[in-house]
Formats: sequence, C-alpha cells, structure tokens
Amino acid sequence: AQKITQTQPGMFVQEKEAVTLDCTYDTSDPSYGLFWYKQPSSGEMIFLIYQGSYDQQNATEGRYSLNFQKARKSANLVISASQLGDSAMYFCAMHGNNRKLIWGLGTSLAVNP
Amino acid sequence: KAGVTQTPRYLIKTRGQQVTLSCSPISGHRSVSWYQQTPGQGLQFLFEYFSETQRNKGNFPGRFSGRQFSNSRSEMNVSTLELGDSALYLCASGRTSGAGETQYFGPGTRLLVL
Repeated sequence: AQKITQTQPGMFVQEKEAVTLDCTYDTSDPSYGLFWYKQPSSGEMIFLIYQGSYDQQNATEGRYSLNFQKARKSANLVISASQLGDSAMYFCAMHGNNRKLIWGLGTSLAVNP
Repeated sequence: KAGVTQTPRYLIKTRGQQVTLSCSPISGHRSVSWYQQTPGQGLQFLFEYFSETQRNKGNFPGRFSGRQFSNSRSEMNVSTLELGDSALYLCASGRTSGAGETQYFGPGTRLLVL
C-alpha cells in the first residue's frame, strides 16, 4: 500500500532563513510522482512543486526545491529565504499508477518576523 | 485563465439531509477529482472523473456519489448526511488522467452538518 509520512506536525522558521519540511513515502509502483502543496488558512490547496520518480535532477520552482533521495524514499521540501506569507500548512502527496493522490497529514509552518 | 471554482463555499445542513456540491474545472481540463479533508483523517480521495466517466473511487460509502457533465463540470452528492460528513470538500482538475499529472485545486466547500 502507498503511504506518505510527514513527521513534523509544526515548524518555526525565522523570516529570510531556509527551512526543510520532511516527507518520506512508501510505494511498490516503479513509476510515481511526488507533489508538495501549500494550504493557507483560506483552505485552497496551492501546487508548489512536482518530482517524477524517473527525474534525474531535483525539481526547483523559484524559492522551492525538492530534495529527492530515491533510495531513502524521501522527498523533502526546501523553502529558501522564508517570507511571512509562507506561513501555512504544507502537504506532501504521491501519485502512483492508480492515479489517486495519497496525502501526508501535513506540516504547519510558522514564519516569525 | 480562471482557476477551479467551487460552489457553494459554505454550507450548513442537518443530519439526514442531502447536499450537492459543484465544481467547474479550469478551461480545457477534463479530469476532476474530489477530496474530503477533516482534522482527524486528513485528506482522503473520494473519486475521479474523466470525460464523464468515473475512473477511480476511494473508500467511501455509497452515500457519496458524483457525476461529470459534457462540459467537464462535476457535481458531488452526499445523501443522508451524518455528523462525520462535516469537512472541507476540495475539487481538483487536470488536463488528463495520467499518473504524475499536476492537479489544481479549487477553494473548497466547507460543509457543516448539525
């Protein structure tokens, strides 16, 4: 069975510093995709970054990068130069052959001024 | 380009009633998925529609049903509401129904069952 684990219920970071949000996954599918979404208090789920299981390089999107370590089955999100607007819930999700998105329980990030 | 829209945004119902939620995907997107989000269970997949056909289904009772129209708009229906159905219901759209495709989410419908 597929599973996503986010072990950090809450994280604090100082504004302008970098922060790493952890995500480990489990799947037997040879092909899969890993996603990170941000959910502010308004509720909307905002797509941040995607990593395919066969992608050789780590994905990057602006201040977001995904530290993909396939052998360790981890897909950590790195946010550089944190901003106050980054305060939100962050979810890691995985998409396997059955196309269902399986979600972690999320990490609440608070950026301190 | 307009994003995914969901109506209504907020809803209050009582036990035993039924409810219909609506989702309009991004123009050109043919895949619509529905998710339920609760504090206790997190995000759980309900079902996915592609070209008016249900392509995938989560582990929810038959009280939860959905459909998709020819214009890709989708509706989700919950009959005989229970207190535990109180949740944020999120709809997501994608261009295809392939693995690895990014899904874009709407703002959600917050349902409260009293």
